[in-house]
Amino acid sequence: DQQVKQNSPSLSVQEGRISILNCDYTNSMFDYFLWYKKYPAEGPTFLISISSIKDKNEDGRFTVFLNKSAKHLSLHIVPSQPGDSAVYFCAARFNNAGNMLTFGGGTRLMVKP
Amino acid sequence: KAGVTQTPRYLIKTRGQQVTLSCSPISGHRSVSWYQQTPGQGLQFLFEYFSETQRNKGNFPGRFSGRQFSNSRSEMNVSTLELGDSALYLCASSRDSNEKLFFGSGTQLSVL
Repeated sequence: DQQVKQNSPSLSVQEGRISILNCDYTNSMFDYFLWYKKYPAEGPTFLISISSIKDKNEDGRFTVFLNKSAKHLSLHIVPSQPGDSAVYFCAARFNNAGNMLTFGGGTRLMVKP
Repeated sequence: KAGVTQTPRYLIKTRGQQVTLSCSPISGHRSVSWYQQTPGQGLQFLFEYFSETQRNKGNFPGRFSGRQFSNSRSEMNVSTLELGDSALYLCASSRDSNEKLFFGSGTQLSVL
């Protein structure tokens, strides 16, 4: 039973445009959500996170939106750059669960010059 | 500051053997977590160690075990290897539990 799902395995976007990556979850007990980026042959790198008490968090070109009623979060990248081409994972964590994260299956983003 | 270091980078074993993977966390980080990445199951949590104590454990059989030493370095062991254990094993560290995770590049294990 996949508690965190990324339904789009891949996404292609033109450089300079907005990239929107989506993530759905089923367990309402998750209280913290994170996005990681992964390049080939490297480990995931933390991008941005959001607590369940917020609905938006911004960091430079990256914004994460959380819709708790829909159990949905999204990552917006504006403007997209070719260097953003990577696999993006969303992850969720229960309260007091330490570093036990539940990851989605990932979305491969390709930003075309 | 050096990142999370995992050794070896690649490993080939046969069914039934056992394997030990090593992870050196970022200096000052006391929490070390292990994840398994496979094409079919994605990234799955194995366990987390903090100050030499296992803090959390994922849904993996007892063949998967780990430990953490007083210098925060960690090892994970898989006994009686099965073909399905072929995966990328990722180690991640953080200063404390519940803090931002920094991942290593992983150990790619192939079981033949």
